[in-house]
Amino acid sequence: AQSVTQLDSQVPVFEEAPVELRCNYSSSVSVYLFWYVQYPNQGLQLLLKYLSGSTLVESINGFEAEFNKSQTSFHLRKPSVHISDTAEYFCAVSPSGGYNKLIFGAGTRLAVHP
Amino acid sequence: DARVTQTPRHKVTEMGQEVTMRCQPILGHNTVFWYRQTMMQGLELLAYFRNRAPLDDSGMPKDRFSAEMPDATLATLKIQPSEPRDSAVYFCASGLSAGANTEAFFGQGTRLTVV
Repeated sequence: AQSVTQLDSQVPVFEEAPVELRCNYSSSVSVYLFWYVQYPNQGLQLLLKYLSGSTLVESINGFEAEFNKSQTSFHLRKPSVHISDTAEYFCAVSPSGGYNKLIFGAGTRLAVHP
Repeated sequence: DARVTQTPRHKVTEMGQEVTMRCQPILGHNTVFWYRQTMMQGLELLAYFRNRAPLDDSGMPKDRFSAEMPDATLATLKIQPSEPRDSAVYFCASGLSAGANTEAFFGQGTRLTVV
């Protein structure tokens, strides 16, 4: 079985500051890793994913995440946040080797202040 | 613009009533998920289907919940009888199982309030 731990339930940050949202996972098998973002009253949208290959993956809006197998982590980072990045961010894991169910962490609420 | 469509967006019902939530997956997708989101439990997987067959519904309370896919364009989640603890946002997501894992596309959810 897989599980995901998001270490921070809320992260307040000022605009243009860097941010890191932490995610650790547990699994006895190889996994795929994902970050999803949820804006208020919306469904979840995929931000980025790690399937294989380069351990550093990037999104189109400046976020990046690095898969660290030894640390079983997949932390999300952005060097300079905007007000519009205010949202809830979910880390998710699924067993690799096929299209399987996603197991989500509890979420981290990112609040960007002016 | 392909998207997952969920109806209704909001539902308020009295305890004991039957509730049916509907989901239209993206055309061509063969995998459908149902998730429930609450403040206390976060996102819980209730059930998922591949090619209309249930693969895993272990997260779903069997005594009152049921999930079906009458055809490839419709998934339903039914609660009978509903209880106040069922109040949550229910999300449907769909995806295409083809080789390596890929993206799950989420609908906007059905916000259920049971009073």
